[in-house]
Amino acid sequence: AQSVTQPDIHITVSEGASLELRCNYSYGATPYLFWYVQSPGQGLQLLLKYFSGDTLVQGIKGFEAEFKRSQSSFNLRKPSVHWSDAAEYFCAVGKGAQKLVFGQGTRLTINP
Amino acid sequence: GAVVSQHPSWVICKSGTSVKIECRSLDFQATTMFWYRQFPKQSLMLMATSNEGSKATYEQGVEKDKFLINHASLTLSTLTVTSAHPEDSSFYICSASRPGLAGGSSYNEQFFGPGTRLTVL
Repeated sequence: AQSVTQPDIHITVSEGASLELRCNYSYGATPYLFWYVQSPGQGLQLLLKYFSGDTLVQGIKGFEAEFKRSQSSFNLRKPSVHWSDAAEYFCAVGKGAQKLVFGQGTRLTINP
Repeated sequence: GAVVSQHPSWVICKSGTSVKIECRSLDFQATTMFWYRQFPKQSLMLMATSNEGSKATYEQGVEKDKFLINHASLTLSTLTVTSAHPEDSSFYICSASRPGLAGGSSYNEQFFGPGTRLTVL
């Protein structure tokens, strides 16, 4: 069965510090991989996606993610976080016309 | 481009009443729309997938008679929560998808609405 695991429910980092949010997936083949961000009471905004090719993907707002097939991982990174990055982050997998499967989410808190 | 709206953004209703939530793709035609439910501090759970002019496909455990989905056009889908009860209180999010290409393969990219907060008293 397809599944996505985000091991960290809540992460707190200081403003200006680097960030890495973890995502592991279980899928029959290499899926399409996504990271979304959700601000409180809002819908989801796509940060970046991976389909194929270069395993390091650049997204919006200074985020990047690296696909590692051997580890079935797609971790999200940002070199220096801003207070406005505080939000809920969701990793998701899908393929073609199939539905998306979401991870449990990681809540990011930024300390000033 | 690819903007999806939802209306209303929040609604409070009495137990036993029905509530309709609209999802519109404002600047594109959506081949498929999806309805999700999100409980506080939890992930999105897919409720159903709807295609224009077809019956919706519901996920296991979702009551199709309680959550009525109508996909009347390529830009509008509605979710009606019938005979709502307090346990139906939740955040409902829709997404609209359109075909795209990813590495030469077809792919339905989903664009999400801002969500509707339903509170049933």
